Amino acid sequence: QKEVEQDPGPLSVPEGAIVSLNCTYSNSAFQYFMWYRQYSRKGPELLMYTYSSGNKEDGRFTAQVDKSSKYISLFIRDSQPSDSATYLCAMSAKGLYDMRFGAGTRLTVKP
Amino acid sequence: GAVVSQHPSRVICKSGTSVKIECRSLDFQATTMFWYRQFPKKSLMLMATSNEGSKATYEQGVEKDKFLINHASLTLSTLTVTSAHPEDSSFYICSARVERSEQYFGPGTRLTVT
Repeated sequence: QKEVEQDPGPLSVPEGAIVSLNCTYSNSAFQYFMWYRQYSRKGPELLMYTYSSGNKEDGRFTAQVDKSSKYISLFIRDSQPSDSATYLCAMSAKGLYDMRFGAGTRLTVKP
Repeated sequence: GAVVSQHPSRVICKSGTSVKIECRSLDFQATTMFWYRQFPKKSLMLMATSNEGSKATYEQGVEKDKFLINHASLTLSTLTVTSAHPEDSSFYICSARVERSEQYFGPGTRLTVT
């Protein structure tokens, strides 16, 4: 079993839709849960992160962590074509480094 | 945020030759640098971790003699793919961090071995 599982998609939605992305994991030691956005032929950039369980909101983005289920989610409200990218979840037991990545979900938001 | 650059962004080389990829932290001194490999629809796979002035620590299954990593200064790390073969074709991404801070990723290098 992989440490981090993420459906690679692709996922295509119309502009304005609510997008739900998620990952599951197996390592109970993970405490830091991150979402990275990666545009085509670019490196990943940190979108947001959560420590331990709970929710975190940043503008149109909401990250949720359910440690009891080993399940994390990223919600994008009012999705825009500029949100089209690959979204990778990442997790670490130590901090915002030494993380393990999911496969990434490729998202396309159509105008 | 901090900026990490990679050079070249894209390289094509012939089978059997070696190719060097540079990773630079432009506005900070990186105590640790990481090298990842990314296949289409696959996770970023950590290849090795290097600290300035020390030998790199390679992940299990990564050939040390094939993927040579040098971290000569706090702002520069290089990855040399020796005797490259078509199966080494991939997207290579470096990352850098200072102590107790997040990792910043470079834009990646697309390697194609013909």
